Amino acid sequence: AQSVTQPDIHITVSEGASLELRCNYSYGATPYLFWYVQSPGQGLQLLLKYFSGDTLVQGIKGFEAEFKRSQSSFNLRKPSVHWSDAAEYFCAVGRGGGQGNLIFGKGTKLSVKP
Amino acid sequence: GAGVSQSPSNKVTEKGKDVELRCDPISGHTALYWYRQSLGQGLEFLIYFQGNSAPDKSGLPSDRFSAERTGGSVSTLTIQRTQQEDSAVYLCASGTSSRTDTQYFGPGTRLTVL
Repeated sequence: AQSVTQPDIHITVSEGASLELRCNYSYGATPYLFWYVQSPGQGLQLLLKYFSGDTLVQGIKGFEAEFKRSQSSFNLRKPSVHWSDAAEYFCAVGRGGGQGNLIFGKGTKLSVKP
Repeated sequence: GAGVSQSPSNKVTEKGKDVELRCDPISGHTALYWYRQSLGQGLEFLIYFQGNSAPDKSGLPSDRFSAERTGGSVSTLTIQRTQQEDSAVYLCASGTSSRTDTQYFGPGTRLTVL
């Protein structure tokens, strides 16, 4: 069965520092992978997605993610974090077999120190 | 254009009562999803509607949960005989027919069962 693991529950970084959020997935075929962000009291917003092609995907707000099949990973990165990036980040894999729903990781909460 | 809207934004109910949660998807979106977000379980898929096809109910946790989608647009999630463990944020998302496409999430309904 498909699954997503986000090993870090909570990460704190200083403003201006680089960020990497980890995501590992379990999926039998080529996965469809997504990163969403949820700010306090808000719905989820898509940051980026990967389906095929270039394994380095650019998203909104300066985020990027790299698909590594050999490591079953899809880590999210940002070179310089802003205070407004403080939020919860969810990695998700698209469920296969014709179903369209997403399977989410438990999320990583990002705090940003001034 | 307008995004996904959900109502009410907050709902407090007593154990044993029935509740109805409403989702208005983005106009033209044929796919509609319900998810539940709770502290212990993260984001869980509940049910998926795609066009006129039979809904995928595989994520519904019990027969107290049901959902319908009228006219291919508005959806209502009904929870009968609510229990305290039903307390969560219920998120609705809509998208196109492609499972590779972005799901657009609403702000959610926070349900509290006393």
